[in-house]
Amino acid sequence: EADIYQTPRYLVIGTGKKITLECSQTMGHDKMYWYQQDPGMELHLIHYSYGVNSTEKGDLSSESTVSRIRTEHFPLTLESARPSHTSQYLCASSELLETQYFGPGTRLLVL
Amino acid sequence: KNQVEQSPQSLIILEGKNCTLQCNYTVSPFSNLRWYKQDTGRGPVSLTIMTFSENTKSNGRYTATLDADTKQSSLHITASQLSDSASYICVVSDRGSTLGRLYFGRGTQLTVWP
Repeated sequence: EADIYQTPRYLVIGTGKKITLECSQTMGHDKMYWYQQDPGMELHLIHYSYGVNSTEKGDLSSESTVSRIRTEHFPLTLESARPSHTSQYLCASSELLETQYFGPGTRLLVL
Repeated sequence: KNQVEQSPQSLIILEGKNCTLQCNYTVSPFSNLRWYKQDTGRGPVSLTIMTFSENTKSNGRYTATLDADTKQSSLHITASQLSDSASYICVVSDRGSTLGRLYFGRGTQLTVWP
């Protein structure tokens, strides 16, 4: 079982609120990723990081931001949540070009 | 356009039966292909990974095949169990960058009934 954790697992929040989704891994992986997944749809990469102080936007345009101050920690922040942000958010980590290990996900509902 | 298509979209089988899931891709250049299992409300977990030179790989009751010429892969599940109920996702990686970009299929939702 992979040592990658996400909190909260479920979040219901009102429009306009600021939220931070937490992701941490204890495997020492340099690469970390955030994906967005809607029911029955493929995963879409929204952010990734090669290592500390490195962050890049992914394929899917997202209003969220990320930071990578420590190797093990890769939080995702939405400054002002909207109903269109309702989705499942999956965090993953890997060694370079190796298999990605996924966290359990955060299911976000914005009212 | 690089794409990964999976079929069927959903599948229902009886416990103990075998099934085969399909994955067709147009990703080029090709680096590797992975099959992931995603239980409801969980993150995907890797089942197999195959590179260009491999045409079959097994992981317990799961056997994946790869035909790099026709750009097709299949995942065969033998003697299905209730715990096999999940979404099975085909993921193809290119070697066009150091990131090794991943292309995800939408998954096949498998339901195993007792």
